[in-house]
Amino acid sequence: KNEVEQSPQNLTAQEGEFITINCSYSVGISALHWLQQHPGGGIVSLFMLSSGKKKHGRLIATINIQEKHSSLHITASHPRDSAVYICAVIMNYGGSQGNLIFGKGTKLSVKP
Amino acid sequence: DTGVSQNPRHKITKRGQNVTFRCDPISEHNRLYWYRQTLGQGPEFLTYFQNEAQLEKSRLLSDRFSAERPKGSFSTLEIQRTEQGDSAMYLCASSSGTSYVYGYTFGSGTRLTVV
Repeated sequence: KNEVEQSPQNLTAQEGEFITINCSYSVGISALHWLQQHPGGGIVSLFMLSSGKKKHGRLIATINIQEKHSSLHITASHPRDSAVYICAVIMNYGGSQGNLIFGKGTKLSVKP
Repeated sequence: DTGVSQNPRHKITKRGQNVTFRCDPISEHNRLYWYRQTLGQGPEFLTYFQNEAQLEKSRLLSDRFSAERPKGSFSTLEIQRTEQGDSAMYLCASSSGTSYVYGYTFGSGTRLTVV
């Protein structure tokens, strides 16, 4: 079992729909990243959070440390949101400080 | 500073050849990470540096792989005697490391194809 699990693996939505991507993890963490990867390969960090909720434009990220779960929401989705969204956690033990453990990603396709 | 820069963007090589990739991190970031990503998978940790010291290496980093960060600035990742299984996207990231919880900045990656 992977330490970081994302769902769904693939998601197709119509423009304007509200989208939720989920991430569950099984290890103690100090923080969690939501990352966006476009087909060219480059990765952009959308959020880093260790508690509560963060919002940036149409993107909202929440985390529940007790339940070991995080969600990424996209409101009023747009075709330019089409990308792979990756959840990554910073594990909470001294041996690998600062190293990320990645989920496999959720491939989002937003149709016009 | 334009972020984390990786070169080359793409590399096609014949099996058995050696390849070297370069990563230039954000100048004030003292931590630098290498990851490998195969198709349909999330990135996997390879190694990381704090300044010029290589602090951790994954078991994925066989003896054909070597990474350096000689002056604590740019880093190189070399793969000797490449195999087809080495075909992947190699990603570099850097962070400031001033506190336990860091923000990361990723490069655009080097896509390696071994034929």
